[in-house]
Amino acid sequence: QVRLQESGPGLVRPSHTLSLTCTVSGDSTSSDEYYWAWMRQSAGKGLEWIGRIYTTGATNYHPALKSRVTISLDTSKNQFSLEVASVTAADSATYFCARDHRGFDVWGPGTLVAVSS
Amino acid sequence: SYILTQPPSVSVAPGQTARITCEGDNIGRKPVHWYQQRPGQAPVLVMYYDSDRPSGIPRRFSGSNSGNTATLTISRLEAGDEADYYCQVWTTSGDPYVVFGGGTTVTLL
Repeated sequence: QVRLQESGPGLVRPSHTLSLTCTVSGDSTSSDEYYWAWMRQSAGKGLEWIGRIYTTGATNYHPALKSRVTISLDTSKNQFSLEVASVTAADSATYFCARDHRGFDVWGPGTLVAVSS
Repeated sequence: SYILTQPPSVSVAPGQTARITCEGDNIGRKPVHWYQQRPGQAPVLVMYYDSDRPSGIPRRFSGSNSGNTATLTISRLEAGDEADYYCQVWTTSGDPYVVFGGGTTVTLL
């Protein structure tokens, strides 16, 4: 059974960098069948796609976030990561990682990140 | 930018049929995916490529997509179907990126 689990700080200071990791079990981030993606959801709001990465390291990012976001892959640890630079309160949200295969077919449970001083 | 419009809420009596629409310019030309999200939980894929059900999703769930409207239909509505539902597509103009609809809350009357 494929499982994804997000991890990282629950509190980030304004203007700092948010860093999260998604650990994959039951599947391989080296697989050429899937992309690996990040989404977020602000409290009481809808879903927002952040970006995705392929096993080759190729990435796609949401245009509105592209200047501040980096997604990377560590196949040796079977993990992929998200960095969001220069965060503000608007970046406070629950962040989800997911496998991108015919839709986002496997999701992590999500991790809540608050941006506050 | 590409916009997907969903009704904020749909209320249906138990045992009846809920139809959740997702409107977008020529959405019929794009593959649409649908997600169910119960409170406090991660979304779950309930329909992909317009009308394909992932393993484990009941046959009560069906999908269609044509013209400017995609529709997720839930037949014989049950209490466990109460949730938020989101449609999703990829935009293909310029760099590709994902767009979600604003979500529809399905409640039982």
